Amino acid sequence: GQQLNQSPQSMFIQEGEDVSMNCTSSSIFNTWLWYKQDPGEGPVLLIALYKAGELTSNGRLTAQFGITRKDSFLNISASIPSDVGIYFCAGQKYNNNDMRFGAGTRLTVKP
Amino acid sequence: EADIYQTPRYLVIGTGKKITLECSQTMGHDKMYWYQQDPGMELHLIHYSYGVNSTEKGDLSSESTVSRIRTEHFPLTLESARPSHTSQYLCASSEYSADTQYFGPGTRLTVL
Repeated sequence: GQQLNQSPQSMFIQEGEDVSMNCTSSSIFNTWLWYKQDPGEGPVLLIALYKAGELTSNGRLTAQFGITRKDSFLNISASIPSDVGIYFCAGQKYNNNDMRFGAGTRLTVKP
Repeated sequence: EADIYQTPRYLVIGTGKKITLECSQTMGHDKMYWYQQDPGMELHLIHYSYGVNSTEKGDLSSESTVSRIRTEHFPLTLESARPSHTSQYLCASSEYSADTQYFGPGTRLTVL
Protein backbone atom coordinates (compact mmCIF):
# COMPACT_ATOMS: atom_id res chain seq x y z
CA GLY A 1 0.00 0.00 0.00
CA GLN A 2 0.94 3.66 -0.01
CA GLN A 3 2.90 3.99 3.20
CA LEU A 4 3.12 7.44 4.77
CA ASN A 5 6.21 8.10 6.85
CA GLN A 6 5.63 10.82 9.40
CA SER A 7 8.41 12.36 11.46
CA PRO A 8 9.36 13.06 14.07
CA GLN A 9 7.45 10.49 16.11
CA SER A 10 7.42 12.80 19.11
CA MET A 11 8.59 16.26 20.08
CA PHE A 12 9.17 17.94 23.43
CA ILE A 13 9.46 21.70 23.10
CA GLN A 14 9.33 24.83 25.20
CA GLU A 15 6.38 27.18 24.94
CA GLY A 16 7.08 29.84 22.34
CA GLU A 17 9.24 27.65 20.13
CA ASP A 18 8.42 26.86 16.51
CA VAL A 19 7.63 23.30 15.45
CA SER A 20 8.14 21.49 12.16
CA MET A 21 6.94 18.04 11.17
CA ASN A 22 6.69 16.28 7.85
CA CYS A 23 5.18 13.42 5.99
CA THR A 24 6.72 11.57 3.04
CA SER A 25 5.62 8.80 0.74
CA SER A 26 6.92 6.79 -2.18
CA SER A 27 3.57 7.39 -3.91
CA ILE A 28 2.02 10.52 -5.34
CA PHE A 29 -1.04 11.94 -3.62
CA ASN A 30 -3.51 14.49 -4.93
CA THR A 31 -4.64 15.72 -1.53
CA TRP A 32 -2.74 16.19 1.70
CA LEU A 33 -4.52 16.83 4.98
CA TRP A 34 -3.29 17.61 8.46
CA TYR A 35 -5.32 16.66 11.53
CA LYS A 36 -4.87 17.18 15.27
CA GLN A 37 -6.17 14.68 17.77
CA ASP A 38 -6.60 15.32 21.48
CA PRO A 39 -6.69 12.35 23.89
CA GLY A 40 -9.99 10.50 23.72
CA GLU A 41 -11.29 12.58 20.83
CA GLY A 42 -11.54 12.24 17.07
CA PRO A 43 -9.09 13.97 14.72
CA VAL A 44 -9.93 17.56 13.87
CA LEU A 45 -9.02 18.91 10.45
CA LEU A 46 -6.40 21.69 10.56
CA ILE A 47 -5.40 22.30 6.97
CA ALA A 48 -6.27 20.77 3.59
CA LEU A 49 -3.95 21.02 0.59
CA TYR A 50 -5.11 20.28 -2.96
CA LYS A 51 -2.35 21.52 -5.28
CA ALA A 52 1.35 20.77 -5.60
CA GLY A 53 3.39 23.64 -4.19
CA GLU A 54 0.42 25.05 -2.30
CA LEU A 55 1.25 26.87 0.92
CA THR A 56 -1.69 27.39 3.27
CA SER A 57 -1.93 29.01 6.69
CA ASN A 58 -4.46 28.67 9.49
CA GLY A 59 -3.50 31.05 12.28
CA ARG A 60 -0.12 29.96 13.63
CA LEU A 61 -0.16 26.84 11.46
CA THR A 62 1.33 26.69 7.98
CA ALA A 63 1.33 23.62 5.74
CA GLN A 64 2.82 22.99 2.33
CA PHE A 65 2.03 20.47 -0.40
CA GLY A 66 5.38 19.29 -1.75
CA ILE A 67 6.26 19.95 -5.38
CA THR A 68 6.87 16.24 -5.99
CA ARG A 69 3.39 15.46 -4.53
CA LYS A 70 5.08 12.88 -2.34
CA ASP A 71 5.46 14.97 0.79
CA SER A 72 3.93 17.62 2.98
CA PHE A 73 5.09 19.78 5.86
CA LEU A 74 3.36 21.35 8.84
CA ASN A 75 4.84 24.20 10.84
CA ILE A 76 3.51 25.66 14.08
CA SER A 77 4.88 29.01 15.12
CA ALA A 78 5.15 30.30 18.71
CA SER A 79 3.76 27.15 20.30
CA ILE A 80 1.41 27.35 23.27
CA PRO A 81 0.34 24.67 25.77
CA SER A 82 -2.94 23.96 23.97
CA ASP A 83 -0.96 22.82 20.92
CA VAL A 84 -0.30 19.59 22.80
CA GLY A 85 -1.71 16.58 21.00
CA ILE A 86 -1.04 14.15 18.18
CA TYR A 87 -0.75 15.55 14.67
CA PHE A 88 -1.59 13.24 11.78
CA CYS A 89 -0.90 13.71 8.11
CA ALA A 90 -3.19 12.04 5.59
CA GLY A 91 -2.88 11.60 1.87
CA GLN A 92 -5.46 10.66 -0.71
CA LYS A 93 -5.21 9.88 -4.40
CA TYR A 94 -7.63 11.41 -6.85
CA ASN A 95 -11.00 9.65 -7.01
CA ASN A 96 -9.86 7.07 -4.50
CA ASN A 97 -11.63 6.35 -1.25
CA ASP A 98 -8.52 5.03 0.42
CA MET A 99 -7.08 7.79 2.58
CA ARG A 100 -3.76 6.86 4.18
CA PHE A 101 -2.68 8.22 7.54
CA GLY A 102 0.76 8.73 8.99
CA ALA A 103 1.56 7.26 12.39
CA GLY A 104 1.34 10.70 14.01
CA THR A 105 3.65 13.17 15.73
CA ARG A 106 3.05 13.49 19.45
CA LEU A 107 3.71 17.06 20.53
CA THR A 108 4.40 18.07 24.13
CA VAL A 109 4.74 21.76 24.99
CA LYS A 110 6.34 22.68 28.29
CA PRO A 111 5.20 25.99 29.77
CA GLU B 1 -17.41 22.62 12.79
CA ALA B 2 -18.41 19.15 11.67
CA ASP B 3 -21.74 17.70 12.77
CA ILE B 4 -20.96 14.05 13.19
CA TYR B 5 -21.86 12.12 16.30
CA GLN B 6 -20.95 8.79 17.79
CA THR B 7 -22.56 6.86 20.62
CA PRO B 8 -21.66 5.50 23.01
CA ARG B 9 -18.43 7.39 23.73
CA TYR B 10 -17.21 4.64 26.03
CA LEU B 11 -18.27 1.00 26.27
CA VAL B 12 -17.04 -1.83 28.46
CA ILE B 13 -18.57 -5.22 27.72
CA GLY B 14 -17.96 -8.91 28.25
CA THR B 15 -16.72 -11.38 25.68
CA GLY B 16 -19.39 -12.79 23.39
CA LYS B 17 -21.75 -9.84 23.55
CA LYS B 18 -23.26 -8.33 20.45
CA ILE B 19 -22.78 -4.59 20.16
CA THR B 20 -23.65 -1.81 17.74
CA LEU B 21 -21.71 1.43 17.56
CA GLU B 22 -23.77 4.31 16.26
CA CYS B 23 -22.60 7.05 13.92
CA SER B 24 -24.73 9.82 12.49
CA GLN B 25 -24.04 12.99 10.56
CA THR B 26 -26.29 15.91 9.72
CA MET B 27 -24.25 17.34 6.85
CA GLY B 28 -25.88 15.26 4.12
CA HIS B 29 -22.56 13.66 3.25
CA ASP B 30 -22.74 10.70 0.90
CA LYS B 31 -19.50 9.05 1.98
CA MET B 32 -18.99 7.61 5.44
CA TYR B 33 -16.12 5.66 6.98
CA TRP B 34 -15.18 3.59 10.00
CA TYR B 35 -11.62 3.53 11.28
CA GLN B 36 -9.99 1.52 14.04
CA GLN B 37 -7.25 3.18 16.07
CA ASP B 38 -5.17 1.83 18.91
CA PRO B 39 -4.09 4.52 21.43
CA GLY B 40 -1.62 6.96 19.91
CA MET B 41 -1.35 4.94 16.71
CA GLU B 42 -2.35 5.54 13.11
CA LEU B 43 -5.87 5.08 11.82
CA HIS B 44 -6.83 1.99 9.85
CA LEU B 45 -9.85 1.97 7.54
CA ILE B 46 -12.18 -0.97 8.23
CA HIS B 47 -15.36 -0.02 6.34
CA TYR B 48 -16.67 2.70 4.05
CA SER B 49 -19.79 3.60 2.14
CA TYR B 50 -20.44 5.66 -0.99
CA GLY B 51 -24.08 6.18 -0.10
CA VAL B 52 -27.31 4.40 0.80
CA ASN B 53 -27.11 0.61 0.33
CA SER B 54 -23.39 0.83 -0.42
CA THR B 55 -20.82 -0.76 1.91
CA GLU B 56 -17.22 -1.76 1.27
CA LYS B 57 -14.45 -3.30 3.35
CA GLY B 58 -11.36 -1.27 4.09
CA ASP B 59 -7.72 -2.27 4.09
CA LEU B 60 -7.77 -3.65 7.64
CA SER B 61 -9.59 -6.93 8.04
CA SER B 62 -12.36 -6.64 10.59
CA GLU B 63 -14.96 -9.02 11.99
CA SER B 64 -17.43 -6.18 12.22
CA THR B 65 -20.23 -5.45 9.76
CA VAL B 66 -21.87 -2.18 8.72
CA SER B 67 -25.10 -1.07 7.10
CA ARG B 68 -26.20 2.10 5.32
CA ILE B 69 -29.97 2.24 5.15
CA ARG B 70 -30.15 6.00 5.58
CA THR B 71 -27.74 8.68 4.42
CA GLU B 72 -27.18 10.04 7.90
CA HIS B 73 -26.59 6.73 9.72
CA PHE B 74 -23.71 4.25 9.43
CA PRO B 75 -23.83 1.82 12.35
CA LEU B 76 -21.10 -0.75 12.98
CA THR B 77 -21.96 -4.11 14.57
CA LEU B 78 -19.86 -6.76 16.27
CA GLU B 79 -21.84 -10.01 16.54
CA SER B 80 -19.61 -11.51 19.23
CA ALA B 81 -17.11 -9.20 20.86
CA ARG B 82 -13.66 -10.45 21.86
CA PRO B 83 -10.80 -8.84 23.81
CA SER B 84 -8.92 -8.38 20.52
CA HIS B 85 -11.67 -5.93 19.50
CA THR B 86 -10.62 -3.54 22.26
CA SER B 87 -9.77 -0.29 20.49
CA GLN B 88 -11.03 3.15 19.57
CA TYR B 89 -13.50 3.26 16.67
CA LEU B 90 -13.75 6.50 14.70
CA CYS B 91 -16.48 7.38 12.25
CA ALA B 92 -15.96 9.97 9.51
CA SER B 93 -17.88 11.43 6.58
CA SER B 94 -17.17 13.46 3.47
CA GLU B 95 -18.96 14.94 0.49
CA TYR B 96 -19.04 12.64 -2.51
CA SER B 97 -16.76 14.82 -4.63
CA ALA B 98 -14.45 15.95 -1.84
CA ASP B 99 -11.48 14.32 -0.11
CA THR B 100 -11.77 16.08 3.23
CA GLN B 101 -13.08 13.76 5.92
CA TYR B 102 -14.67 15.00 9.13
CA PHE B 103 -14.42 12.81 12.19
CA GLY B 104 -16.71 12.04 15.07
CA PRO B 105 -15.41 11.96 18.66
CA GLY B 106 -14.91 8.19 18.63
CA THR B 107 -16.09 5.24 20.69
CA ARG B 108 -13.58 3.68 23.01
CA LEU B 109 -14.45 -0.02 23.29
CA THR B 110 -13.09 -2.35 25.94
CA VAL B 111 -13.95 -6.05 25.80
CA LEU B 112 -13.18 -7.97 28.95
